[in-house]
Amino acid sequence: AIRMTQSPSSLSASTGDRVTITCRASQSITDYLAWYQQKPGKAPSLLMYATSTLQSGVPSRFSGSRSGTEFTLTISDLQSEDFATYYCQQYYNSPWTFGQGTKVEIK
Amino acid sequence: QLQLQESGPGLVKPSETLSFTCSVSGGSIVNSNMYWAWIRQAPEKGLEWLGSIYESGPTYDNPSLKSRVLISVDTSKNEFSLQMASVTASDTAVYFCARHLLGDSSPDWFDPWGQGVLVLVSS
Repeated sequence: AIRMTQSPSSLSASTGDRVTITCRASQSITDYLAWYQQKPGKAPSLLMYATSTLQSGVPSRFSGSRSGTEFTLTISDLQSEDFATYYCQQYYNSPWTFGQGTKVEIK
Repeated sequence: QLQLQESGPGLVKPSETLSFTCSVSGGSIVNSNMYWAWIRQAPEKGLEWLGSIYESGPTYDNPSLKSRVLISVDTSKNEFSLQMASVTASDTAVYFCARHLLGDSSPDWFDPWGQGVLVLVSS
């Protein structure tokens, strides 16, 4: 199975900050990566897919990129509603696997 | 708007079989050309994909579950189900159902998700 490793596991930031979360795949997955946001007690919701394509309705302050097997989720101008846990997921092949999550907390 | 809703028991005894159903509304499983998935999240843990089923029955299974999982679909009720046999305390988790979008040749990402249902495995 492809292992997805996220870093950091948590971070503290203030509203207005620029935040970067990294997800590294254990092998090449080309651009077959999705990001999800999960708020406490809620189901994850899709943020973006194909590394950098925003899901409909997701604000443009969210962006994604790839360098080799390292993927980055960037939130520019962090808003209060962005404090949540973020997961990456590879869909290069089965079994579909997720990163362990990055919790974005209020500083 | 497509919505998914899980239902099932909140408490299951060790060694028993866990069963959940996911009801789909706002769209039909039939002719959706989609897969339908189960994913779980143990307390304070990450997400684990359990398996996915196509509208006509073919499935993808997670080999880590050692064939304990059976996923089925009932198109007449517009729902799909999960059965997990021989559960232990480590199967305590929130279980989510989700649509597993079909890409060029295999399923891709999950959207939308049901709200999830917590199951406790305990005697």
